[in-house]
Amino acid sequence: DAKTTQPPSMDCAEGRAANLPCNHSTISGNEYVYWYRQIHSQGPQYIIHGLKNNETNEMASLIITEDRKSSTLILPHATLRDTAVYYCIGQGRDSNYQLIWGAGTKLIIKP
Amino acid sequence: GAGVSQSPSNKVTEKGKDVELRCDPISGHTALYWYRQRLGQGLEFLIYFQGNSAPDKSGLPSDRFSAERTGESVSTLTIQRTQQEDSAVYLCASSLAPGTGLTRYTFGSGTRLTVV
Repeated sequence: DAKTTQPPSMDCAEGRAANLPCNHSTISGNEYVYWYRQIHSQGPQYIIHGLKNNETNEMASLIITEDRKSSTLILPHATLRDTAVYYCIGQGRDSNYQLIWGAGTKLIIKP
Repeated sequence: GAGVSQSPSNKVTEKGKDVELRCDPISGHTALYWYRQRLGQGLEFLIYFQGNSAPDKSGLPSDRFSAERTGESVSTLTIQRTQQEDSAVYLCASSLAPGTGLTRYTFGSGTRLTVV
């Protein structure tokens, strides 16, 4: 399974770009990288996913290194509501639905 | 419905009692998943349903745990003879049928189970 490693916590000033790193050195060529976030007392919310190309949507940008061993989630203009735990997820080995979840990064946006 | 609905949102039960948790997925989502999340930890896969196929129960931690799903609708997760280590948030998610890995999950808000 694609194991992911994330820093346990990060701070970011409101209005600044938040850059959340993730290492996934064991990811295979056909495994996607997904990002979700979990705001307190809620279920995880999908943010973005990618395979090898950089991706952007209305919520965030995803930068994947050429060797696919790591990625960075970018929240371009962080707000207080972006305070949450952010999970970088690798695709399951034996199935394409069983995602392996780590402990994520607790992102705190400070005013 | 518009989202994944779970009930109850909170459940406090005495050790040894049985509990039943309910998940109502998004209409049209054939895949349904149950996860457990202990305090401060990531999600732990429990069970997966896809259409009329046999469910993948490989994540269930013991035979006290079971789950059912009727067709492509409501699912119930049952925990028998609850133990204190069962205390956690139980999350349900649904998605379109997994294919090439482009599976985007929609999660409910979870049921917080406390066993006293």
